[in-house]
Amino acid sequence: KAGVTQTPRYLIKTRGQQVTLSCSPISGHRSVSWYQQTPGQGLQFLFEYFSETQRNKGNFPGRFSGRQFSNSRSEMNVSTLELGDSALYLCASSLIPPEDTEAFFGQGTRLTVV
Amino acid sequence: GENVEQHPSTLSVQEGDSAVIKCTYSDSASNYFPWYKQELGKRPQLIIDIRSNVGEKKDQRIAVTLNKTAKHFSLHITETQPEDSAVYFCAHRGRRDSNYQLIWGAGTKLIIKP
Repeated sequence: KAGVTQTPRYLIKTRGQQVTLSCSPISGHRSVSWYQQTPGQGLQFLFEYFSETQRNKGNFPGRFSGRQFSNSRSEMNVSTLELGDSALYLCASSLIPPEDTEAFFGQGTRLTVV
Repeated sequence: GENVEQHPSTLSVQEGDSAVIKCTYSDSASNYFPWYKQELGKRPQLIIDIRSNVGEKKDQRIAVTLNKTAKHFSLHITETQPEDSAVYFCAHRGRRDSNYQLIWGAGTKLIIKP
């Protein structure tokens, strides 16, 4: 079956712009989580959606937002981009909330802010 | 809120030797403990997980042990091989902001020396 798909794979944006990243989960999965990963750093949790509702949120400023659609696809948006937002953004999907089962990661979107 | 401490941050072992990574948590209600492996340039993938009703689980050269009394769990890799070089993340089901979520360790970079 198809894995988790993230688009686009690479993105270059200018400071002050906004960006939208997309994540298509594995068919049937209802939970989607988003993470930020910078070089040499761990997985910084952004937020998690389950059945179109935000279940959990990490410690990121309000410039980071997300949503989930009825088909479980999810988008995250970053407004007023800063240089420090340059990172690999990973999404992960799971059948049920990820704290109880395996999470499947996408290949990520590498965002560069110049 | 709940956290998990992961040690060491970097581990260098000779090929063929064993490697052990340890994580410590504080939420006594935690009942799910997965380990993820992220090879360079790739997405994190689950390699093994354990639930709180067992103390040890093995899968070929990989094993995870859980000590609920001491609140720590460890990843053991025996007969290490070059392909074991990666960053390993522990995680567990913990409570933050009144919700259960997956809490991640900071990661351990494992280097296998030839």
